[in-house]
Amino acid sequence: QVQLQESGPGLVKPSETLSLTCAVSGYSISSGFYWGWIRQSPGKGLEWIGSFYHSGYTYYNPSLKSRVTISGDTSKNQFSLKLSSVTATDTALYYCARATRSDHFDFWGQGSLVTVSS
Amino acid sequence: QSVLTQPPSVSAAPGQKVTISCSGSSSNIGNNYVSWYQQLPGTAPKLLIYENNRRPSGIPDRFSGSKSGTSATLGITGLQTGDEADYYCGTWDSSLGAVVFGGGTKLTVL
Repeated sequence: QVQLQESGPGLVKPSETLSLTCAVSGYSISSGFYWGWIRQSPGKGLEWIGSFYHSGYTYYNPSLKSRVTISGDTSKNQFSLKLSSVTATDTALYYCARATRSDHFDFWGQGSLVTVSS
Repeated sequence: QSVLTQPPSVSAAPGQKVTISCSGSSSNIGNNYVSWYQQLPGTAPKLLIYENNRRPSGIPDRFSGSKSGTSATLGITGLQTGDEADYYCGTWDSSLGAVVFGGGTKLTVL
């Protein structure tokens, strides 16, 4: 069974960089599939942040592209999210998930709450 | 506002059937696969339907998906109190170059 687990600081100061890691078990990220990040602001809907393929190909939500970097570490079977210059509007529950070529997400992590506040 | 439009809420009695609509355009639903997710309170979303009408292993056939033109529909039959959740549709938007989701629909089983 594929399992994903997010980790990272729960509190980030405005203007700083949010960093999260997603550890994957039960499947090697270098074996295929895409791997993505989705966030959910408190009481709101889902927003796709971006996805990456183990070859290094990445694609991001245009609304966040200038601030987002997603990368993978195949040796540790994990991938990471960096979101720079954060503001209070970036406060959200951040999920990592496995994505397919038809752009659906079949396995999800439990989510990591990140609050942006001084 | 979300690119995909869903009703904010739907309700039905236990044992009944409910449908949830997801309306988009030719740049998203009209030319790409639709998926549906169930988010129970306090939990991560769970894939219910992918590629318009396919169910992952373990998803009961009470859940079904369909697509026509620029709209998609999730159907749930034999409603149970455990089906109370938020439901989201999702797809790729070719114009935006992004995965997009609907705003979500809260299902209440009365």
